[in-house]
Amino acid sequence: GENVEQHPSTLSVQEGDSAVIKCTYSDSASNYFPWYKQELGKRPQLIIDIRSNVGEKKDQRIAVTLNKTAKHFSLHITETQPEDSAVYFCAASVDYGGSQGNLIFGKGTKLSVKP
Amino acid sequence: GAVVSQHPSRVICKSGTSVKIECRSLDFQATTMFWYRQFPKKSLMLMATSNEGSKATYEQGVEKDKFLINHASLTLSTLTVTSAHPEDSSFYICSARRGQGLSNEQFFGPGTRLTVL
Repeated sequence: GENVEQHPSTLSVQEGDSAVIKCTYSDSASNYFPWYKQELGKRPQLIIDIRSNVGEKKDQRIAVTLNKTAKHFSLHITETQPEDSAVYFCAASVDYGGSQGNLIFGKGTKLSVKP
Repeated sequence: GAVVSQHPSRVICKSGTSVKIECRSLDFQATTMFWYRQFPKKSLMLMATSNEGSKATYEQGVEKDKFLINHASLTLSTLTVTSAHPEDSSFYICSARRGQGLSNEQFFGPGTRLTVL
């Protein structure tokens, strides 16, 4: 089955710097890659997602890139702010030909943005 | 839109009792709901997939007789932890999938913190 690896497990950056979190997946059939942000004690919130028909997607300070050949995708946060501090999870799902499989999550990255 | 609620948010129970957790999609119909368990500082562990009107599909290692799942309607799924033990203490989160086919957006509930004494 699908396996998602996420790195790094912790990341500390200075406010204003950029942060990059990387994930790799094992199943080449995966075609949907969302990123979730989870603040302490709260629910995971979808912040951005990308499908396999595009290589990059951007939403203000957040962008996601996808390299299907290498089977990896990355989250980029620019001009980081203290409120970006949270745990970020990547996920991947497999297309079984008309219906989506379950999301397989990475282990998470704890991002700390220091003011 | 796409709001998922979960009740209760926090529950403390005695060992041996059963606890029911409800997950509701408030403004959309969810044919599929998911139940996750999350340990402190750990990732989301999928426990089971709940499909409306059919039996839940459990992940390997999850006891279906201990974690009873019922998806009675397109907006409600329940997880019952039976004969709870201290090791069942955890953060339980549900999510609901909006849409079918190629749409795979999942929206999470706020979670339920279960403490078994």
